[in-house]
Amino acid sequence: DGGITQSPKYLFRKEGQNVTLSCEQNLNHDAMYWYRQDPGQGLRLIYYSQIVNDFQKGDIAEGYSVSREKKESFPLTVTSAQKNPTAFYLCASSKQLNTEAFFGQGTRLTVV
Amino acid sequence: GESVGLHLPTLSVQEGDNSIINCAYSNSASDYFIWYKQESGKGPQFIIDIRSNMDKRQGQRVTVLLNKTVKHLSLQIAATQPGDSAVYFCAENLRGNDYKLSFGAGTTVTVRA
Repeated sequence: DGGITQSPKYLFRKEGQNVTLSCEQNLNHDAMYWYRQDPGQGLRLIYYSQIVNDFQKGDIAEGYSVSREKKESFPLTVTSAQKNPTAFYLCASSKQLNTEAFFGQGTRLTVV
Repeated sequence: GESVGLHLPTLSVQEGDNSIINCAYSNSASDYFIWYKQESGKGPQFIIDIRSNMDKRQGQRVTVLLNKTVKHLSLQIAATQPGDSAVYFCAENLRGNDYKLSFGAGTTVTVRA
């Protein structure tokens, strides 16, 4: 099946630890994105990538880092510098930036 | 049932009635718009999209209307079903140096049996 896979579905982190969220797609899409969603709110863009080895900051990039070493993979690291990391994280991909984006099922991160 | 105004977070509609979900977008230069449906604990699912050279687009039981003059987008769902209960987001592709998909806060639709 073609699609986007995020793992894990639930993740718990202790304060002060970095954690990496996985996102893999087999849709052969060039563009990939990371969004954060807080309860009762819309999606806010963290980082996006148009092509391999290139990525851009979104609206709330502070405390996060990404890499795009392979077309199909766009991992997100939530660093200890992110002051309020507990949220629902969504990864998406699209053929190009200005086309329909397909979403994964999300990772719910909780800081304990 | 109909949601009006810049943002109405909830909409309750009787099963079988038509639903209208409204969205005001921010940038007159945006040229691509998408409606997504998100069920609890899941990622958003694509419903329908429209480009700025169109005023209306129809899908299966859904219609999107675009009014560029007032920067308004609406999603109409015909014969609303219990499975339509979800949060609906409009998204605009902000056109700057790159394209960034920007989402509204969403409208929670509840279908009454």
